[in-house]
Amino acid sequence: GAVVSQHPSWVICKSGTSVKIECRSLDFQATTMFWYRQFPKQSLMLMATSNEGSKATYEQGVEKDKFLINHASLTLSTLTVTSAHPEDSSFYICSARVIGVNTEAFFGQGTRLTVV
Amino acid sequence: EDQVTQSPEALRLQEGESSSLNCSYTVSGLRGLFWYRQDPGKGPEFLFTLYSAGEEKEKERLKATLTKKESFLHITAPKPEDSATYLCAVQEEGTYKYIFGTGTRLKVLA
Repeated sequence: GAVVSQHPSWVICKSGTSVKIECRSLDFQATTMFWYRQFPKQSLMLMATSNEGSKATYEQGVEKDKFLINHASLTLSTLTVTSAHPEDSSFYICSARVIGVNTEAFFGQGTRLTVV
Repeated sequence: EDQVTQSPEALRLQEGESSSLNCSYTVSGLRGLFWYRQDPGKGPEFLFTLYSAGEEKEKERLKATLTKKESFLHITAPKPEDSATYLCAVQEEGTYKYIFGTGTRLKVLA
């Protein structure tokens, strides 16, 4: 099956620092990856759509300068949380869609970010 | 406005007690409806894709069905290991973005 690997699984950082989260499709190519944020006992909220070789498309209300997304290859997308603050603490999850007819996406294991 | 509503919010079952989870949706044109399972602290795990009304998919104790307005996830004779949050998501025609429901937290007691 399609495997999406996300790294790190958890990270603790100091307020004001930046954190990079990687999302890799291990056994398939993905022209499109998605980044989500999830608060406790809530559903996934789409933050942005990451397209290989082009700029990401951000959802309304998501700060582009705070959440930098780079999709440099067909198997790797990164999310950088810049100048992190405690309110950025959350569970971040990426997903990737296999190129082709199928429309289902496969998700990474998520990254728990805690900003102290 | 596109919307996905899941019910119940939480469900407790005894082992072997079958039940159904509901996902109601409003979308102008449906590309696909998806069911995922999410364990605490993990990313969602893909279960099923349904594309058109009348379609059914099965996997072990799970069966997903689709109508023009809602989808059901039927759980037959559940086991404690079926305990998880079950998420429903829809894709509108012309986009690959998901709209997620808030999920149903299922607890199966031994």
